[in-house]
Amino acid sequence: QLQLQESGPGLVKPSETLSLTCSVSGGSIRTSIYYWGWIRQPPGKGLEWIGSIYNSGSTYYNPSLKSRITMSVDTSKNQFSLNLTSVTAADTAIYYCARRLTDIADWGQGTLVTVSS
Amino acid sequence: SYELTQPPSVSVSPGQTASMTCSGENLGDKYVCWYHQKPGQSPVLVIYQDTKRPSRIPERFSGSNSGNTATLTISGTQAMDEADYYCQVWDSSTVVFGGGTKLTVL
Repeated sequence: QLQLQESGPGLVKPSETLSLTCSVSGGSIRTSIYYWGWIRQPPGKGLEWIGSIYNSGSTYYNPSLKSRITMSVDTSKNQFSLNLTSVTAADTAIYYCARRLTDIADWGQGTLVTVSS
Repeated sequence: SYELTQPPSVSVSPGQTASMTCSGENLGDKYVCWYHQKPGQSPVLVIYQDTKRPSRIPERFSGSNSGNTATLTISGTQAMDEADYYCQVWDSSTVVFGGGTKLTVL
């Protein structure tokens, strides 16, 4: 069974870069036909798609975040990563990694990232 | 950018039918999926490609999509169905979520 696990700092200072990694087990990013992505959820609010990446490195990004996002994939480690630059308090959220662009049946458990000095 | 609109809340009595809508321009031309999310948990896919149900999801969950509105219906609603429900589509190379509906089972 596919499992996804987010990892990274739980606290990031304003103006700095938020960096998260999603480790995949029970399946291979390299041979997958699906995109892998990040979705976030501010406390008490709805879901917001951040972006998605294919094993080739091809990406789709949320236009509203595109200027601050970089996603990468490391097939040798079976991981993919998110960098979000110039963070503010508005970026405080639970960050989920997931498989597929839509019809997402596989989600990580989520990791809370707080932006605060 | 494409927008999906969901009512903030819906209430239903146990055993009754709950219906939640998701509205968007020409939504019927797109595939809609639905998730439910309980507090402290990750979202769970309950309907995909408008009407299909993952194997683990009970038959009481069903979906439809036509015109500008998609609907998620829960027949014989149970207390365990109380959750937030989100619709989602893929449009113009972006993933779009609705704002979510909180289903309360009174």
